[in-house]
Amino acid sequence: DIVMTQSPDSLAVSLGDRATFTCRSSQSLLYTSDNKNYLAWYQQKPGHPPKLLIYWASTRESGVPDRFSGSGSGTDFTLTISSLQPEDVAIYYCHQYYSSPYSFGQGTKLEIK
Amino acid sequence: QMKLVQTGGGVVQPGRALRLSCEGSGFTFANFGMHWVRQAPGKGLEWVALIWNDGTNKRYAEAVKGRFTISRDNSRNMLYLHMSRLRADDAALYYCARDQGIGTRRILDQWGQGTLVTVSA
Repeated sequence: DIVMTQSPDSLAVSLGDRATFTCRSSQSLLYTSDNKNYLAWYQQKPGHPPKLLIYWASTRESGVPDRFSGSGSGTDFTLTISSLQPEDVAIYYCHQYYSSPYSFGQGTKLEIK
Repeated sequence: QMKLVQTGGGVVQPGRALRLSCEGSGFTFANFGMHWVRQAPGKGLEWVALIWNDGTNKRYAEAVKGRFTISRDNSRNMLYLHMSRLRADDAALYYCARDQGIGTRRILDQWGQGTLVTVSA
């Protein structure tokens, strides 16, 4: 099974500053036949279901603000919020859909400093 | 607009069974794979099961294999999770989620509101 590890567990950032989340997988998520990384990012606000932000490691879901971006390949991935807004306070999860079971990272909690 | 509305859930004794339901609307339900994902209180997300759009293929997490069954009725736009031999560690908020594709994409682009399952004697 693929294990997803996120760091840090929590993050405090000032409004307007950059927030960076890291996700590492125990094996490569790059499928060579299509050259795609099977990695997504979700945002979950308290009392709400998760919301898809990024898939294929760097493709922004429709309607997601462009301050959110994803990067990385293979086993190391990053989610970046370029300029933190108050509504970005949430827990962020990475998710591998390369192979079953389709595991999530433990999450990174984002707070305002 | 697209919606997933969940029903079912509640308090159940260990060893008993329970069925969760998820009704899709605002999209062509039969064209999309569907997933169940759960979240224990105060914990992270755990993928549970996947069913292809036509019900021909299913996948399960090891923790639920042999005890849970995912199914669907495309004529009613309904997704189900039949849970049997429930254990204390099955207690969680259960979400249904739509696959971006027929089930082969496994990108969860829309989520239900969640339904709580409590396992207690």
